[in-house]
Amino acid sequence: GAVVSQHPSWVICKSGTSVKIECRSLDFQATTMFWYRQFPKQSLMLMATSNEGSKATYEQGVEKDKFLINHASLTLSTLTVTSAHPEDSSFYICSAWVDRSNEQFFGPGTRLTVL
Amino acid sequence: LAKTTQPISMDSYEGQEVNITCSHNNIATNDYITWYQQFPSQGPRFIIQGYKTKVTNEVASLFIPADRKSSTLSLPRVSLSDTAVYYCLVGSKGSQGNLIFGKGTKLSVKP
Repeated sequence: GAVVSQHPSWVICKSGTSVKIECRSLDFQATTMFWYRQFPKQSLMLMATSNEGSKATYEQGVEKDKFLINHASLTLSTLTVTSAHPEDSSFYICSAWVDRSNEQFFGPGTRLTVL
Repeated sequence: LAKTTQPISMDSYEGQEVNITCSHNNIATNDYITWYQQFPSQGPRFIIQGYKTKVTNEVASLFIPADRKSSTLSLPRVSLSDTAVYYCLVGSKGSQGNLIFGKGTKLSVKP
């Protein structure tokens, strides 16, 4: 199946700093990628839809100025958590559509810990 | 969007067959049913997808009755490594339904 990677796999940062997470589709092109957030013992929550070459679409309640999304190429989307705070500590997961199969392939996730 | 309902948790023993049912009463004509498996601190992994009747692959079977208002994921002869959370999602190609995760079913396989 299609492979999606994320980098870094984990990151620890100080409160107030910004963190960038990369999501790459390794063997296919993805015009649309998605970013999820998952808190401990909870389900995945969709944060935003990342569209190549255009602005991301954010879900209700997600601050677009805090979670900056850039989808500059057909294989890369980035999520930048700006001015991170401890409450932003979570597991961030990206995914990408494989259009021909109606399947969504997920990255391995990035564990963000804000001190 | 078709809302899905699953049991919160299930217990099983190694070697048994496990059936996890998902209810989706508002499924639309164009919607597919997709099941994912998630281990702790990992991204979800695609298991199986179907539209109607029965679908089988190397790891699972998916049973969908004629009214499509529910579906059952069947895992044959589970092992300890099948302990995970299983999610069913319902949606058509490119639709939001495929992006909305319910609470999932926590399957615990015991020796």
